[in-house]
This record gives sequence, structure tokens and C-alpha cells, in this order.
Amino acid sequence: DQQVKQNSPSLSVQEGRISILNCDYTNSMFDYFLWYKKYPAEGPTFLISISSIKDKNEDGRFTVFLNKSAKHLSLHIVPSQPGDSAVYFCAARDNTDKLIFGTGTRLQVFP
Amino acid sequence: GAGVSQSPRYKVAKRGQDVALRCDPISGHVSLFWYQQALGQGPEFLTYFQNEAQLDKSGLPSDRFFAERPEGSVSTLKIQRTQQEDSAVYLCASSLTGTGSDTQYFGPGTRLTVL
Repeated sequence: DQQVKQNSPSLSVQEGRISILNCDYTNSMFDYFLWYKKYPAEGPTFLISISSIKDKNEDGRFTVFLNKSAKHLSLHIVPSQPGDSAVYFCAARDNTDKLIFGTGTRLQVFP
Repeated sequence: GAGVSQSPRYKVAKRGQDVALRCDPISGHVSLFWYQQALGQGPEFLTYFQNEAQLDKSGLPSDRFFAERPEGSVSTLKIQRTQQEDSAVYLCASSLTGTGSDTQYFGPGTRLTVL
């Protein structure tokens, strides 16, 4: 039973356009959500997070939206750059502080 | 400052061998987490320490897996009698307090291959 789901295994976007990565979750007790970015042979790098009491958080080119009623969050990257090409993991934290990850979406930004 | 470091970066073991994976957290970080990432999957929680206390080991897949953090800093994940299904990347993360909105910072991982 996958509590955090990323249904798109891959996404391809042209440089300069918007990238939208989606994530769904099932546990309404999750109180904090995070996005991590991962390059090959490296560990996940924290990108941006959002508390369950908010619906939007923005940091430069990255914005995370949370729709609690739909149990859905999304990461928007605009404008997309070739260096953004990586695997993006959505994660949720439960009340025990551990992170529960989705399976990842591989983003490729092409010129 | 230095991030989370892990060693070795790669480990090949024969089935049945014991292995020990080391994690050096960010200095001063109270909490330390171990995750297992199988190919094509997201990281999955194994265990969690706050200082030297192991507060949660619910994710350890079997009693062949053992983790310790005796002085509240460096941690070792030990796998006894390795099996092929143990092949994965083992990630360590640390955070300042481990609670609230604290961010977990990950190391590069140890890729374990069991032949």
C-alpha cells in the first residue's frame, strides 16, 4: 500500500517552459511535505517543503502547491533549465518524523 | 561545512557475508535516519536515532539488520548473512532535531550488491 504516489515515472520539458510534477497521498495525518531532487550516484537533495496548514510555498523558480481536500501536491519549476534534469521525489512526514517517499519522476529538460 | 558522509560508497558481498555501513552525520545534528532504496523505487525508512537512542526500528526488514549509534554521532548499519534481496542503496540522513519542520539532509549512499 503505497501511501505516497508519483504516477508519472518520467516527464520531458523544453528549456524555458514550466515543469509540473505531481504527487498524491492517502494518509490525511501527514503534516509536512517535501520535494527532493536526486542526481545519479548522489543522495537526495532537499528542494522545497510545505506544511499542511499552507497551500502554497515559493522559492525562486520552485513552487509547491498543496490541495489537502484532494490529497494532492505538485511542484512547479519555471522556467525549466537543463540543470533541472534529475529524478524528483515527493515525500511526506508522518507523526513519527520518518519520511515516506514516492517512487520518483525523472525530469528531462531539453534545449 | 561538511555534509553527511557515508562509507564505503560501493560494497560487493558474497551471499552469507556480514557487512557494515558507516554514516557520519552533519556535526551537531541530533537525529539520524537510515533508508533503503531499491532500484527504481523511492527510499524506504529503516530506523531512526535521536542522539544514541534508537527510537524507531520498525522499518528494519529482518533481525539480520542491526543499527547502532553508541556515542550519538557516527552510526553503523550492519547486515548479517547478506541475501540477494538486500542489494540496494543504503542512505543515511541527519537533521538538527528530527522534529517539526526540520529538514533531513542525505548522504550519497552506499550501494550494496550481494552476489
